[in-house]
Amino acid sequence: NAGVTQTPKFRILKIGQSMTLQCTQDMNHNYMYWYRQDPGMGLKLIYYSVGAGITDKGEVPNGYNVSRSTTEDFPLRLELAAPSQTSVYFCASSYGSTGTDTQYFGPGTRLTVL
Amino acid sequence: AQKVTQAQTEISVVEKEDVTLDCVYETRDTTYYLFWYKQPPSGELVFLIRRNSFDEQNEISGRYSWNFQKSTSSFNFTITASQVVDSAVYFCALRESDSGYSTLTFGKGTMLLVSP
Repeated sequence: NAGVTQTPKFRILKIGQSMTLQCTQDMNHNYMYWYRQDPGMGLKLIYYSVGAGITDKGEVPNGYNVSRSTTEDFPLRLELAAPSQTSVYFCASSYGSTGTDTQYFGPGTRLTVL
Repeated sequence: AQKVTQAQTEISVVEKEDVTLDCVYETRDTTYYLFWYKQPPSGELVFLIRRNSFDEQNEISGRYSWNFQKSTSSFNFTITASQVVDSAVYFCALRESDSGYSTLTFGKGTMLLVSP
């Protein structure tokens, strides 16, 4: 049982490049989330998904896109990378969305945009 | 709107000292949930504990204990006899409501450095 896995672990992009951050969970969780963590800050929600085919914006969605074609996978797409997107990105999943449902996090992807 | 404040940015202690990490929250809901996560130097986020607003009992798990006080809107975390392996950033988080979708709001974290 791997939990939540993310690839890649590190990536350097040039301004204007695109990339997809991969996230997979094997816990059969309905809900999945993408957060970004900037230095000295807590996590901020980018997008979330309540199930396959359903996604919604979080607090900081601009510059990102997501899709959820399967229960297991929730990729995050950066179309035109900007220096402001330099951050650590965490994917998380939970069974449900209520307060009793704990979110479990992947190991993170450290992205630098130069 | 919900808010979590961790006023301590960084704490340094020597091994075997006790240390308390503070967490103060704001919410209008009567039903809410509080969480602590640990982020060691390796970077992953590890879930430590969840408490609901109806359960003010303190929790102890080995060297870790949590003090939840609704009267002061605080959910403090104490590590007894700290060890070098406790060095990490610790995040407090809040989730409102027991129904529907609600956001998990994080504090900015407290970096704990435990030196030998």
